[in-house]
Amino acid sequence: DIQMTQSPSSLSASVGDRVIITCRASQSISNYLSWYQQIPGKAPKLLVYGASTLEGGVPTRFSGSGSVTEFTLTINNLQPEDFATYYCQQSDSFPRTFGQGTRVEIK
Amino acid sequence: EVQLLESGGDLVQPGGSLRLSCVASGFVFSTYGMHWVRQAPGKGLEWLSYISGSSSSTYYSDSVKGRFSISRDNADNSLHLQMHSLRVEDTAVYYCARVGRGGYRQLDYWGLGTLVTVSS
Repeated sequence: DIQMTQSPSSLSASVGDRVIITCRASQSISNYLSWYQQIPGKAPKLLVYGASTLEGGVPTRFSGSGSVTEFTLTINNLQPEDFATYYCQQSDSFPRTFGQGTRVEIK
Repeated sequence: EVQLLESGGDLVQPGGSLRLSCVASGFVFSTYGMHWVRQAPGKGLEWLSYISGSSSSTYYSDSVKGRFSISRDNADNSLHLQMHSLRVEDTAVYYCARVGRGGYRQLDYWGLGTLVTVSS
């Protein structure tokens, strides 16, 4: 199984900050990597797929990059509504696997 | 508008069974693969199972293989998860999710989830 490791597990940031979350795959997944945002009590929401393609309707302050085993999610100009938990997920092979999540908290 | 609505969550005793359903609307259900994903209280997301649009392919996580069964009925736009031999550790919110287009197999729409509690 492919293990997905996110870092950091949590971070504190202020409105207007730039936040970078890293996701590492235990083996090559090409660019079969998605990022999801989850607000407490809500269902996950797709932000980025194919490692770098922004889902429709997602603000352009979100961006994804990377390939093979190293990926990043960048949030520029952090907004109040961005405080949430973020998950990466590989869709290269079964079983699908998620990272453990990165909680973005208000500083 | 794409909508996914899960149902069937309940309180069940260890060793019991439960059947979850997910009703889809707003898209041609039969042409999309579907997944089940769960989230235990205070924990992260755990992928459980996948079924192709025609039901020709199914996959399971090791944690539920042999106990859970995924199925779909394209005639009434519904996805199901039959769960047997339930354990306390199966307590979670269960989500259905659709596979998006474009070849990257992302989960582009999710339901609101249904809560399964396994407890004596």
